[in-house]
Amino acid sequence: NAGVTQTPKFRILKIGQSMTLQCTQDMNHNYMYWYRQDPGMGLKLIYYSVGAGITDKGEVPNGYNVSRSTTEDFPLRLELAAPSQTSVYFCASSYPGTYQPQHFGDGTRLSIL
Amino acid sequence: RKEVEQDPGPFNVPEGATVAFNCTYSNSASQSFFWYRQDCRKEPKLLMSVYSSGNEDGRFTAQLNRASQYISLLIRDSKLSDSATYLCVVNIGSNDMRFGAGTRLTVKP
Repeated sequence: NAGVTQTPKFRILKIGQSMTLQCTQDMNHNYMYWYRQDPGMGLKLIYYSVGAGITDKGEVPNGYNVSRSTTEDFPLRLELAAPSQTSVYFCASSYPGTYQPQHFGDGTRLSIL
Repeated sequence: RKEVEQDPGPFNVPEGATVAFNCTYSNSASQSFFWYRQDCRKEPKLLMSVYSSGNEDGRFTAQLNRASQYISLLIRDSKLSDSATYLCVVNIGSNDMRFGAGTRLTVKP
C-alpha cells in the first residue's frame, strides 16, 4: 500500500520558471491538501480539496494553482517561481470527519534561485 | 497572536525522564486537536488525537482544556527514539488544520 506519493523529491528552479508538483493517493480519501513548511515554522495550508472537481484556498494560496480531476490526484502548480516559494511541500489526504487524521507524503524539497 | 503557539524548545532530557509540552490555540470554535510527530526532514505522522476527556496511549498522555484553549502532551519514561519535533495541530473547521511550529525534543543516554 503506497499511501500518499509525491514527485519529485527534490527540485531546483530558476526564478520565473514554472513546474507542477505531483501528488497521488491510493487510499480512496475524499480530502486532499497541500502544505508548505519553511525552516523552523509550522506547516501552512496552501490549497485543499474535498473531492474531485472541488478545490478551495487555504492560508497561503498566492502564487499557486491546483486542480482535482480524479479522487487520486491533486497536482500543485507554480506558474512564476519566486525565491519566497523555496520551501518543503507536503501533500496529505484524509477521510472527511473532524477526528480523521491526515496522511502525509514524504515531501518535495524545492529551491528557487 | 499566532493561531497555534508552542514553546519551540529545545527540550533536552535524559532517558527515563518525564517531559511535558504545552500548546495554546486562539480559535475558540476549533473542533478537534492532535499531536503529530515529525522527525528531521521527514513528513509529520499522527501521534495521537486529543479528546475532551483526556486520553492515554502507552507512555503518552494528552489533555485538552477548552476553557483555557490549551492542549498538553506528557511523555513518561522517555526513550532515545522519542527524539523528534512534536507538532500541535488544531482543526478549525472543515478539516482546515492549523499547525504549531513544533517543540523539539532530544532524549540523551
